Amino acid sequence: EVQLVESGGGLVQPGGSLRLSCAASGFTFTSYVMHWVRQAPGKGLAWVSRINHDGTITTYADSVKGRFTISRDTAKNTLYLEMNSLRAEDTAVYFCAGDIEYKYDYWGQGTLVTVSS
Amino acid sequence: QSALTQPPSASGSPGQSVTISCTGTSSDVGGYDYVSWYQHHPGKAPKLMIYDVSKRPSGVPDRFSGSKSGNTASLTVSGLQAEDEADYYCSSYAGSTPFVFGTGTKVTVL
Repeated sequence: EVQLVESGGGLVQPGGSLRLSCAASGFTFTSYVMHWVRQAPGKGLAWVSRINHDGTITTYADSVKGRFTISRDTAKNTLYLEMNSLRAEDTAVYFCAGDIEYKYDYWGQGTLVTVSS
Repeated sequence: QSALTQPPSASGSPGQSVTISCTGTSSDVGGYDYVSWYQHHPGKAPKLMIYDVSKRPSGVPDRFSGSKSGNTASLTVSGLQAEDEADYYCSSYAGSTPFVFGTGTKVTVL
């Protein structure tokens, strides 16, 4: 059974940091480009970041560039998102998703990040 | 890259059909045949329903179909069932972005 399980969300003050993890199982992790997608309260889905199969190429949405860092550990089948200088507008449910051939085949259930003082 | 435009809501009675539009530009929907649709029950993982404009993954009922004309893609759900009530999002490959999502449509089964 394919599983993507996010963890690491929580309440953090503006300017703070958080590290999200996404544990993958049930599929060949290294065959998939991995993404983080977020959904702010009452809003739609928004793409955040992408990392290629071996972790050598990363891409970011302009809204998080310079503050967030995506990485993956192929030995642990785990995807990460290091989030720094967090702002109120980063408050959202963060999903990890696996992409092969221009579609998100697999999704996690998400982890909630709340940025508030 | 701006979000793709979807109607906020759509509804139909059980057994009826509902069609959701997804309008973008020549830089995304109109430029690539990589439009996909996702069903999202709040609190759960989104699920891939349609990919490459009109292909269905294994296990998705053939009541779900997709199409595209120019810069607008569409998802049709035929023979509506209670379990189809959910939020639906389109997504398109957009080159360097690399993906852009739609604004989302809440489908209600009356």
